Amino acid sequence: NAGVTQTPKFQVLKTGQSMTLQCAQDMNHNSMYWYRQDPGMGLRLIYYSASEGTTDKGEVPNGYNVSRLNKREFSLRLESAAPSQTSVYFCASSEKQGTDSPLHFGNGTRLTVT
Amino acid sequence: QKEVEQNSGPLSVPEGAIASLNCTYSDRGSQSFFWYRQYSGKSPELIMSIYSNGDKEDGRFTAQLNKASQYVSLLIRDSQPSDSATYLCAVGPYGNKLVFGAGTILRVKS
Repeated sequence: NAGVTQTPKFQVLKTGQSMTLQCAQDMNHNSMYWYRQDPGMGLRLIYYSASEGTTDKGEVPNGYNVSRLNKREFSLRLESAAPSQTSVYFCASSEKQGTDSPLHFGNGTRLTVT
Repeated sequence: QKEVEQNSGPLSVPEGAIASLNCTYSDRGSQSFFWYRQYSGKSPELIMSIYSNGDKEDGRFTAQLNKASQYVSLLIRDSQPSDSATYLCAVGPYGNKLVFGAGTILRVKS
């Protein structure tokens, strides 16, 4: 049982480059999320998808776009990377949208923008 | 005031002692409370959830919730070096989302 799978694990970008972070879950969960984690700031929600076909902004959406490709997959795109986007990115899923359903996290993507 | 606050630590306890981790939150309407453990370089993993006032025990872990005082705590009994990690408190709903604290670093010394 793989759970939540993220790719890539590591990435280095130059300022202005674009990239897409991929996430897939095999738990038949309805809701999926993208977080970033920075030292001293905890996990901050970038975007989420309550169910297939819907996406919504979280706390820090600027500079990012998302696509809920199907029930399993939720991608995060950086169109023009900036050094401020250097962070660790986590994808997560939950059985249902709402805050009484625990989050299951992927292993993370460590992104450095130079 | 931050929505969810935790002491960043590090909290150092000797092996076998009780570790007490605390979290305060700002929204009196919060209903869901979670504790996640995160080892260095790894992803967060859920260890406890609590929704009602009082204590909830699971093995060596006890979560305590006091909605009137707006705090939730995690007690780890018989602390082991393998418990050394960052513990994240998450509270919801804020809107319809969870908000995470910045985490408390726990170090268990053998």
